[in-house]
Amino acid sequence: DQQVKQNSPSLSVQEGRISILNCDYTNSMFDYFLWYKKYPAEGPTFLISISSIKDKNEDGRFTVFLNKSAKHLSLHIVPSQPGDSAVYFCAASGGTQGGSEKLVFGKGTKLTVNP
Amino acid sequence: DAGITQSPRHKVTETGTPVTLRCHQTENHRYMYWYRQDPGHGLRLIHYSYGVKDTDKGEVSDGYSVSRSKTEDFLLTLESATSSQTSVYFCAIKFSSYNEQFFGPGTRLTVL
Repeated sequence: DQQVKQNSPSLSVQEGRISILNCDYTNSMFDYFLWYKKYPAEGPTFLISISSIKDKNEDGRFTVFLNKSAKHLSLHIVPSQPGDSAVYFCAASGGTQGGSEKLVFGKGTKLTVNP
Repeated sequence: DAGITQSPRHKVTETGTPVTLRCHQTENHRYMYWYRQDPGHGLRLIHYSYGVKDTDKGEVSDGYSVSRSKTEDFLLTLESATSSQTSVYFCAIKFSSYNEQFFGPGTRLTVL
């Protein structure tokens, strides 16, 4: 059973517009959420995170929103740039199985930002 | 840069042969992880370590073993490689006080 779901395999946006990547989770014990960005032939790089005690965290052009009641989080990129084109992974940690030691990843969303 | 290297970066091998991948870190982090990335599956945890000689299984551990005899090195071994183990393998480390993990550059393994 997939605990972290990214239902959109791909997303295409125009440069300068907003990109919104979505992630849903099923385990209510998750208490920390992260986004990673991955370019081809490179390892994933940490982008931004949010604790379950918050509903928003912002870092420059990147903002993550958490809706605990809906078990949903989203990553907003404003404005989008061609260099943002990558695969974005949502991840979660916490709960009784491994706690903060382990991350559970979604399958990823490939973002393409068109010039 | 979290000081993580992986070797080899690319390997082609034959079915049934043993393969060992190495992850090396320079910053004495307690936690180290091995993941595989496959199209349509995202990143899946194979094994992880929470200290020297302390390891545990992840969600896709069958066919893999690990060893950690010193803090800086975490080895992943495929005792008898199969074509289903063709994948990109990533090592990661975690700072003890934080949830974030930091990844190495990856090893692309092809099993013919």
